[in-house]
Amino acid sequence: AQKVTQAQTEISVVEKEDVTLDCVYETRDTTYYLFWYKQPPSGELVFLIRRNSFDEQNEISGRYSWNFQKSTSSFNFTITASQVVDSAVYFCALLIRAGNMLTFGGGTRLMVKP
Amino acid sequence: NAGVTQTPKFQVLKTGQSMTLQCAQDMNHEYMSWYRQDPGMGLRLIHYSVGAGITDQGEVPNGYNVSRSTTEDFPLRLLSAAPSQTSVYFCASSPGTGVSYEQYFGPGTRLTVT
Repeated sequence: AQKVTQAQTEISVVEKEDVTLDCVYETRDTTYYLFWYKQPPSGELVFLIRRNSFDEQNEISGRYSWNFQKSTSSFNFTITASQVVDSAVYFCALLIRAGNMLTFGGGTRLMVKP
Repeated sequence: NAGVTQTPKFQVLKTGQSMTLQCAQDMNHEYMSWYRQDPGMGLRLIHYSVGAGITDQGEVPNGYNVSRSTTEDFPLRLLSAAPSQTSVYFCASSPGTGVSYEQYFGPGTRLTVT
């Protein structure tokens, strides 16, 4: 069975601080995909990134960066110089190829204060 | 393309009533699924379909029925609503195997059962 754990249920930072959201996953499959989604107060799910299990390269996109480490089964997400607009719930999710369905973590609510 | 559409956006039901949440996609995706989102629990898979005429249960299927008569539509039926089914429901679609595995989410339906 698959499992995704986001141990931080809520994080509060002041604008311009850096913040890292943790994600730890469990699966016995060797082929899988990891995702991060953002859910702003409006409620929709916004896709941020997908990473497959064979690609451990870290990725940077503007103020966002992701650190994938298979050795620790982690896929952490860092926001540099946070902004109020980053306030949202962030979900990490795991997809194994066989089922093509997502297993979500419980989410981390990020509050960025001005 | 409209992407994934869901209707209604909001619904209030009384205990014991039945209703159908509608989901449609115009991307010719093979895979469709329904998730429910409850506070602190992320999204959990209710039912999914890997093609027209094929459905299967996810993590939390009790109290829900689905069918997939066309590629485009994947309705979710609540047979006898219970307060425990108060939640936000998301429908998703995906191209399926061999492609990107990206999940496209609808805007969600907020359901309250009193």
